[in-house]
Amino acid sequence: SQQGEEDPQALSIQEGENATMNCSYKTSINNLQWYRQNSGRGLVHLILIRSNEREKHSGRLRVTLDTSKKSSSLLITASRAADTASYFCASGGSQGNLIFGKGTKLSVKP
Amino acid sequence: DAGVIQSPRHEVTEMGQEVTLRCKPISGHNSLFWYRQTMMRGLELLIYFNNNVPIDDSGMPEDRFSAKMPNASFSTLKIQPSEPRDSAVYFCASSLGQGGGSNQPQHFGDGTRLSIL
Repeated sequence: SQQGEEDPQALSIQEGENATMNCSYKTSINNLQWYRQNSGRGLVHLILIRSNEREKHSGRLRVTLDTSKKSSSLLITASRAADTASYFCASGGSQGNLIFGKGTKLSVKP
Repeated sequence: DAGVIQSPRHEVTEMGQEVTLRCKPISGHNSLFWYRQTMMRGLELLIYFNNNVPIDDSGMPEDRFSAKMPNASFSTLKIQPSEPRDSAVYFCASSLGQGGGSNQPQHFGDGTRLSIL
């Protein structure tokens, strides 16, 4: 399978805590993207990091990329109940398509 | 600003019937993607179009599946005949540029939940 892997598969935390999700991919990439999916809805793009970048921030989100290890992490700081969702990484290669991982299911308890 | 629009949202039909899923991408986007999501296999790319031309259909499971994009504002995914193992959520997404490699995000519709009895 070309799919990447997210780790952990499920994560449960209290509101206010930080949540860290990891992603590994298999092929060389142009960029790596993170998406969120709320139950019964489509995926929503969160952040994109290019292959020549190592870290990127957007609000409470922080993404890192280590191309030597073919891995990325997504950190959500000061989590809120509304952050409860599934989070997917997707690797963008030169062929034009995205390869999605199976996701991390995050539950933030109020 | 209208997002990607898919119809129907839910479809329940009997095995052997033809199923047609529809997608209207975001105006101005020139790439369109069809995905299938199941618990077992996650999110799988079925086919993607760039400027209405199919670029990669290697993810289409078998000849029962076909996709068309007659113009920049409309695409269909057809399953004929349908089988119970086709039950899944089917997503359409669109983007600018040439897909993931072009450093552009994809915008997803809310999917069609398909149940084949």
